[in-house]
Amino acid sequence: DIQMTQSPSFLSASVGDRVTINCKASQNINKYLDWYQQKHGEAPKLLIYNTNNLQTGIPSRFSGSGSGTDYTLTISSLQPEDVATYFCLQHSSRWTFGGGTKLELK
Amino acid sequence: EVQLQQSGAELGKPGTSVKLSCKVSGYNIRNTYMHWVNQRPGKGLEWIGRIDPANGNTIYAEKFKSKATLTADTSSNTAYMQLSQLKSDDTAIYFCATGYFDYWGQGVMVTVSS
Repeated sequence: DIQMTQSPSFLSASVGDRVTINCKASQNINKYLDWYQQKHGEAPKLLIYNTNNLQTGIPSRFSGSGSGTDYTLTISSLQPEDVATYFCLQHSSRWTFGGGTKLELK
Repeated sequence: EVQLQQSGAELGKPGTSVKLSCKVSGYNIRNTYMHWVNQRPGKGLEWIGRIDPANGNTIYAEKFKSKATLTADTSSNTAYMQLSQLKSDDTAIYFCATGYFDYWGQGVMVTVSS
């Protein structure tokens, strides 16, 4: 099975900061990587699919990049409503979530 | 609008089974996979398995092969997951989601306690 290592586990940043979250796959996942945002008490929400495609309705400050085994979610200018936990998901071979990154405001 | 409505919270005793439902509106489940995911208290997301409602074909994560059974009823547009031989470690929120994880149910809390 493909393992996904997500970093950091916790992140504290200020409004307006550029934030990056990383996921590393145990093998090449050919850009089959999605990003999700989960706010407290809610179901996850799809932000980006297949590495760099923004889901409809998601603000353009969210972007994704990567290839091979290494992928990144970037928030270009952090907003208060972005406080949440973020997960990556590989779907190259079955499905595996990363461990999550809890993003808080400094 | 696509909506996934999950059944209510469950309290199960160790060794028993529970069956969760996920009714989809606004989309024909024959045209998508249905996934199930869990989230233990304070932990991350874990993929359990998926079903193709069109033919009943299922795939499970290795650790859930003897724990979860996925089924679907296309006539009612509903997916189901049965969890068997419940243990305290099965206490979690369980989510259903459509094939590209673009729509999710609200999640249902399953608590295993004697």
